[in-house]
Amino acid sequence: AAGVIQSPRHLIKEKRETATLKCYPIPRHDTVYWYQQGPGQDPQFLISFYEKMQSDKGSIPDRFSAQQFSDYHSELNMSSLELGDSALYFCASSLTEGLNTEAFFGQGTRLTVV
Amino acid sequence: AQSVSQHNHHVILSEAASLELGCNYSYGGTVNLFWYVQYPGQHLQLLLKYFSGDPLVKGIKGFEAEFIKSKFSFNLRKPSVQWSDTAEYFCAVNSPSGGSYIPTFGRGTSLIVHP
Repeated sequence: AAGVIQSPRHLIKEKRETATLKCYPIPRHDTVYWYQQGPGQDPQFLISFYEKMQSDKGSIPDRFSAQQFSDYHSELNMSSLELGDSALYFCASSLTEGLNTEAFFGQGTRLTVV
Repeated sequence: AQSVSQHNHHVILSEAASLELGCNYSYGGTVNLFWYVQYPGQHLQLLLKYFSGDPLVKGIKGFEAEFIKSKFSFNLRKPSVQWSDTAEYFCAVNSPSGGSYIPTFGRGTSLIVHP
């Protein structure tokens, strides 16, 4: 079965550079979520999109932005990178079924800022 | 805001020992509950979920969890762990957030199983 695809899997950037992470949800899923997981931390919700519109916002820094495109893939854009942005970034997708919504996670992009 | 508490941050067991990981959530309304496992260097995988019905839920790899509404708990159990169960375990709760349902995660429990 198709899963959530994230690219790249690994990314190394220098401080103050920009990075773009991509997420391709499971076909026919209408919601995409982005999470940030720092070393030894739990996944922190950043932002979500439902039917290409931003639906919820979590602890996403102002330096980050995201969007969902017409083909439902999503991109997380990160600017002015800081050392503290080094983390595993997960994308998840779901088919909205009210409370019974189950999110499926991608393998993540490991971002290292040096 | 919804919060999820996992009380055991690090657990070390020998193979064949029994496992119980605690999870409590704060939301008083209807919730859906999940346990995810994250093997070293890998993504989150669903172990089991509770939506409704029988509060004792059985998942993959011999794991089960019991939803106790009065205690706001959803503890994960396995009668006999294996070395391959070494991983990070996350409890998560779906709760309303604006117009959608966002999974909120606990801090995770790192399980190390010695052979």
